[in-house]
Amino acid sequence: EPEVTQTPSHQVTQMGQEVILRCVPISNHLYFYWYRQILGQKVEFLVSFYNNEISEKSEIFDDQFSVERPDGSNFTLKIRSTKLEDSAMYFCASAGGQRRETQYFGPGTRLLVL
Amino acid sequence: GEDVEQSLFLSVREGDSSVINCTYTDSSSTYLYWYKQEPGAGLQLLTYIFSNMDMKQDQRLTVLLNKKDKHLSLRIADTQTGDSAIYFCAETTGYSSASKIIFGSGTRLSIRP
Repeated sequence: EPEVTQTPSHQVTQMGQEVILRCVPISNHLYFYWYRQILGQKVEFLVSFYNNEISEKSEIFDDQFSVERPDGSNFTLKIRSTKLEDSAMYFCASAGGQRRETQYFGPGTRLLVL
Repeated sequence: GEDVEQSLFLSVREGDSSVINCTYTDSSSTYLYWYKQEPGAGLQLLTYIFSNMDMKQDQRLTVLLNKKDKHLSLRIADTQTGDSAIYFCAETTGYSSASKIIFGSGTRLSIRP
């Protein structure tokens, strides 16, 4: 069964550094998302992306965040200058095909900002 | 605003049924979901229900939706040790795939022998 994949599984970075989290959505999906889960808190929506542009973004998704679909398979989340509070699990999701109402999530990237 | 609430913990005996409850605030919810998260793993979609339905059954899983009370439940029959996980209730208000999903805090299900 097709899956959403994410790399890396874990990333440790210094405060102020840029990080890029990568996702490969399910191949026939057209809708892409990023969510995050700070330890002990709810999974929170960050951004949705369709047709090469952002469809919706949350208040969390400020100017430090950006998303890109650089080629036909990857979907990336960039954090320009990481802060301590960016430490979280970041989940990518995709939707599309026959079951457009369901989002399928990747295994997540655990980001630790020191 | 949109909010999804669920109890944090549930402990059941192996072989019994588990019932995980959830309430939500947005009356315009269109789809409601149950996701499962095992330790160190991602969010696995278990099942979902469209808001014009009141029940959906899928093998050991039964979802009940009371739209009037904005209450959703997930029943797992014959609970097994492999069912130990965190279960997230979630909802969306859109019909479009671009719509965000709002998650509850998750219910940690533990199984007693």
